[in-house]
Amino acid sequence: NAGVTQTPKFQVLKTGQSMTLQCAQDMNHNSMYWYRQDPGMGLRLIYYSASEGTTDKGEVPNGYNVSRLNKREFSLRLESAAPSQTSVYFCASSEAISSGWNSPLHFGNGTRLTVT
Amino acid sequence: AQSVTQPDIHITVSEGASLELRCNYSYGATPYLFWYVQSPGQGLQLLLKYFSGDTLVQGIKGFEAEFKRSQSSFNLRKPSVHWSDAAEYFCAVGDQYGNKLVFGAGTILRVKS
Repeated sequence: NAGVTQTPKFQVLKTGQSMTLQCAQDMNHNSMYWYRQDPGMGLRLIYYSASEGTTDKGEVPNGYNVSRLNKREFSLRLESAAPSQTSVYFCASSEAISSGWNSPLHFGNGTRLTVT
Repeated sequence: AQSVTQPDIHITVSEGASLELRCNYSYGATPYLFWYVQSPGQGLQLLLKYFSGDTLVQGIKGFEAEFKRSQSSFNLRKPSVHWSDAAEYFCAVGDQYGNKLVFGAGTILRVKS
C-alpha cells in the first residue's frame, strides 16, 4: 500500500525557472492538500482540493498554482521560482472534507526544493 | 482563524524518563486537536486526536494527551520515553468545517541514553 507518493524527492531550481511537483494517492481519498514546511514555522497550507474538480487557497498561495488532475492526483506548480520558495513541500490526503476531521491527513514523504 | 503555539523548540529527556510537550491553541469555536510526529526525512504520522468527550485521549506508541479548555491547552505526554521517540512533534488545530488544519512550529525531541 503506497499511500501518498510525491515526486521528485529533491529538486534544485534557478530563480525564474518553473516546475511541477507531483502527488498521487491510492487510498481513494476525496481531499488533497499541499503544505510547505519551513524551520520554526511548522507546516503552512498552500492549496487544498476538497474533491475532484475543485481547488481552494490556503494560508500561503501566492506564487503557486495547483491542478486536481483526477481523484488520485494533485499537482503543485511554481511558474517562476523565487528563493523564498526554498522549502520542503508535503502533499497530504484525507477521506472527505465534508466529514470534518473524522478522517486524519495522510502525508507523503516530501519534496525538498532549493531555489538559488 | 485558528492558531497554535508550541513554546518549546527543543526538549531533551533521558531514556526512560517521562515526557510532556506543550501545546496552546486559539480558536473561537470547538477545536479539533491533533498531535503528529515526524521522523527525519519522513512525512507526518498521526499520534492522536481530540474532538469531544473524554478529555484524556490515548494514541499510538504509548502517547496520551489531555485537553484543558480553561487553559486552551492540549499537552502530549508519555510516561517512559524510548530512544526511538526522538523526532519532531507537531500540534495542530482544525476548524469546525473540516477545511483547514493549522500546525504549530513543532518541538524537536532528543533522547539521551
